[in-house]
Amino acid sequence: DAKTTQPPSMDCAEGRAANLPCNHSTISGNEYVYWYRQIHSQGPQYIIHGLKNNETNEMASLIITEDRKSSTLILPHATLRDTAVYYCIVRVKPSGSARQLTFGSGTQLTVLP
Amino acid sequence: GAVVSQHPSWVICKSGTSVKIECRSLDFQATTMFWYRQFPKQSLMLMATSNEGSKATYEQGVEKDKFLINHASLTLSTLTVTSAHPEDSSFYICSASGSGGETQYFGPGTRLLVL
Repeated sequence: DAKTTQPPSMDCAEGRAANLPCNHSTISGNEYVYWYRQIHSQGPQYIIHGLKNNETNEMASLIITEDRKSSTLILPHATLRDTAVYYCIVRVKPSGSARQLTFGSGTQLTVLP
Repeated sequence: GAVVSQHPSWVICKSGTSVKIECRSLDFQATTMFWYRQFPKQSLMLMATSNEGSKATYEQGVEKDKFLINHASLTLSTLTVTSAHPEDSSFYICSASGSGGETQYFGPGTRLLVL
């Protein structure tokens, strides 16, 4: 699975959009980009994933560049409860059986009041 | 949907005792479950992968005789820490994936403190 690079920390004002970048320059054509977050002392929470098209769900939007070498997770209106470590993970789509997720260091997002 | 539970949420035990942690998929059938461990201020590290009805596959450096994993049904996997020692104190997290395997859903974690 391709390696990802994320900034170690970011701050965001409450109510503003939080844009979390992720570099995955060695991503290959069959690898998906997944985003999870981990609020302190809890298990990781799935947010969103995509292959090459931009994706949106009730939690966030995922913007993947055309060359797929980087992506941005957007939380449109950050709240204090969005303070967490956000993990960007690149993984081959499983075929038949699941594959583990390899967690890096992630980005500590702190939403400020 | 896609809810995974863990029990207990925290446990304190004496050194030398064994501790069992349960992981359940509540609203889907989990063909594969994963067990992770997280030490303070560190990221999650995979310990083992278990497929229903098969023996677990352990990551390098994880002792299979110390961390016993059972995945006897499509909704339940258990991790038993045998003869626990203080260095086993950690946050243990399971995740589960259905037959398609595309997305993993995580449990809330179990905090183990060995005295």
